[in-house]
Amino acid sequence: GEDVEQSLFLSVREGDSSVINCTYTDSSSTYLYWYKQEPGAGLQLLTYIFSNMDMKQDQRLTVLLNKKDKHLSLRIADTQTGDSAIYFCAEREGFKTIFGAGTRLFVKA
Amino acid sequence: DTAVSQTPKYLVTQMGNDKSIKCEQNLGHDTMYWYKQDSKKFLKIMFSYNNKELIINETVPNRFSPKSPDKAHLNLHINSLELGDSAVYFCASSHRTSGVRNTGELFFGEGSRLTVL
Repeated sequence: GEDVEQSLFLSVREGDSSVINCTYTDSSSTYLYWYKQEPGAGLQLLTYIFSNMDMKQDQRLTVLLNKKDKHLSLRIADTQTGDSAIYFCAEREGFKTIFGAGTRLFVKA
Repeated sequence: DTAVSQTPKYLVTQMGNDKSIKCEQNLGHDTMYWYKQDSKKFLKIMFSYNNKELIINETVPNRFSPKSPDKAHLNLHINSLELGDSAVYFCASSHRTSGVRNTGELFFGEGSRLTVL
């Protein structure tokens, strides 16, 4: 079945690290994604990881993939107020991209 | 230069009316999608077209009818609108499949917020 799960809320202080977790079901997904949605806007791809990788680092972003547990995480270092948004975990199943419910990240100054 | 553009951005209408949302992409993608985002921000796929052919048709009331005149355009027509249709509808586009050469990234429009009174 298709199911992507993630916690709904995360609150951090400015300058701290944020970690958003996600579990997925389709072990055949080639790519797993993190999308960001700011208020009143569409989703934009933040980063992705190829399924044969364990980790991907891109500036302040670190993606960790545990294929055995079907667990994906996104770490944002030195979180800024501008990082406040909804973060969606997603997996690609054939022609469909399936999204989690989104994690609302609140950054306190 | 907007990559995926959809109109209108806002739509307020009465129950029972018929309305359409239009979408166009200039990215050269061959696949387009309609997603529905409800008030809790859950995002659910409704339809997908590849080169004008319907390839995904989720469990959506048949009051919703997509139409793709060409691979750069995908429209959504909704008949007999109901209160529960109130949502933000997102158009997106991508290459058809993901693989070594492309990530299958979706490019989203800004959304069309539909309010049914």
